[in-house]
Amino acid sequence: QSALTQPASVSGSPGQPITISCTGTSGDVGAYNFVSWYQQHPGKTPKLIIYEVTNRPSGVSNRFSGSKSGNTASLTISGLQAEDEADYYCNSYTSSNNWVFGGGTKLTVL
Amino acid sequence: EVQLVESGGDLVQPGESLRLSCSASGFTFTDYAIHWVRQAPGKGLEYVSSINDNGGRTHYAASVKGRFTISRDDSQNTVYLQMSSLRPDDTSVYFCVKDRRGTYSFESWGQGTPVTVSS
Repeated sequence: QSALTQPASVSGSPGQPITISCTGTSGDVGAYNFVSWYQQHPGKTPKLIIYEVTNRPSGVSNRFSGSKSGNTASLTISGLQAEDEADYYCNSYTSSNNWVFGGGTKLTVL
Repeated sequence: EVQLVESGGDLVQPGESLRLSCSASGFTFTDYAIHWVRQAPGKGLEYVSSINDNGGRTHYAASVKGRFTISRDDSQNTVYLQMSSLRPDDTSVYFCVKDRRGTYSFESWGQGTPVTVSS
């Protein structure tokens, strides 16, 4: 199972929106609405921020939103804040009955 | 409060075996699937293995299938990852993760235990 494709890095200024894409195949992202997103700050454990494509766990800022079209999922952060600077990973359940992560995207807040 | 505490990580030589443990508390253990996810130094997250709530179904990444075995002991609220024929590219921090029930996502993460495979 190949990793999902994410841009290696994205950047934005405080207050701006950014979007991180996550491209898979018809056997993973395109097959199920089981796409999730994780935020990982340096030296910390990952944190679930989006599940089932669009849902936010309790306590996650509504500045984070998710969507999907075909084989590509996206994470949008509106109104960037300095604390959003982190690595972001997408994940999908697959038709092989396991899971696959994206390679990760480093978000820099300028 | 959900707690997942991994243990068993060590420095081993290529070809050797190692068993990781994940001790869980703060939730009804038998209601949840448990996963292992790893992260090599400076690299991204990689899915490793899962076991469902009753232990009847297990899943593995292609990279570890046939070498790793996941199991659970509900009397001890513990999940194990038996790793054999270890290779240098298995070197990672191994995280134990609690499922977000019914959503196929990884809700609660342990702090991880480091495994180094080197001669």
